[in-house]
Amino acid sequence: EAQVTQNPRYLITVTGKKLTVTCSQNMNHEYMSWYRQDPGLGLRQIYYSMNVEVTDKGDVPEGYKVSRKEKRNFPLILESPSPNQTSLYFCASSLSGGGYGYTFGSGTRLTVV
Amino acid sequence: GQQVMQIPQYQHVQEGEDFTTYCNSSTTLSNIQWYKQRPGGHPVFLIQLVKSGEVKKQKRLTFQFGEAKKNSSLHITATQTTDVGTYFCAGSDWGGTSYGKLTFGQGTILTVHP
Repeated sequence: EAQVTQNPRYLITVTGKKLTVTCSQNMNHEYMSWYRQDPGLGLRQIYYSMNVEVTDKGDVPEGYKVSRKEKRNFPLILESPSPNQTSLYFCASSLSGGGYGYTFGSGTRLTVV
Repeated sequence: GQQVMQIPQYQHVQEGEDFTTYCNSSTTLSNIQWYKQRPGGHPVFLIQLVKSGEVKKQKRLTFQFGEAKKNSSLHITATQTTDVGTYFCAGSDWGGTSYGKLTFGQGTILTVHP
């Protein structure tokens, strides 16, 4: 089944403790992206990647890192999480960024205390 | 930077009534995409519009892209309880170095009362 898989689904952590949210897609998509969703703010793009080793900042990149060492994987790294990063995170992939819709993962609900 | 505004934020309708959500961009867009997110779920891609003035239909859903490619709308005819969810528009500008950047509107939360 074609899908984007995120892990974990839920995560509670403490301020400053480094964490990684994994994202993997099995559709051979070139484009991958991370979004955070907060009430009233919609989906805001954190980072996106157009191919292996090619990444760029979205609208809210501060406090996040990404890497794209393999085409299928696009992990999101929070090196020193803070409470304002408490949010619902979605990973998404697209065959090509400029003409195809994104397939979203099921989401990761992160709470930083 | 590019901003995409969506209204209304909330819409409550009786089953059978029509529903429309509007999307406006601060800049000219190369494309507009629409997504639906069911409560507790993830966004699901519905459709993409690319051409100026384009109109597309999916059963009871009608999507329009403005002539200036700065606004779009989604209209649902005769809503059903299965239409409940949040509808998002999202736009891109393929020019320059931001080819992969997709900016979402804030979404319209649709509630349908049976």
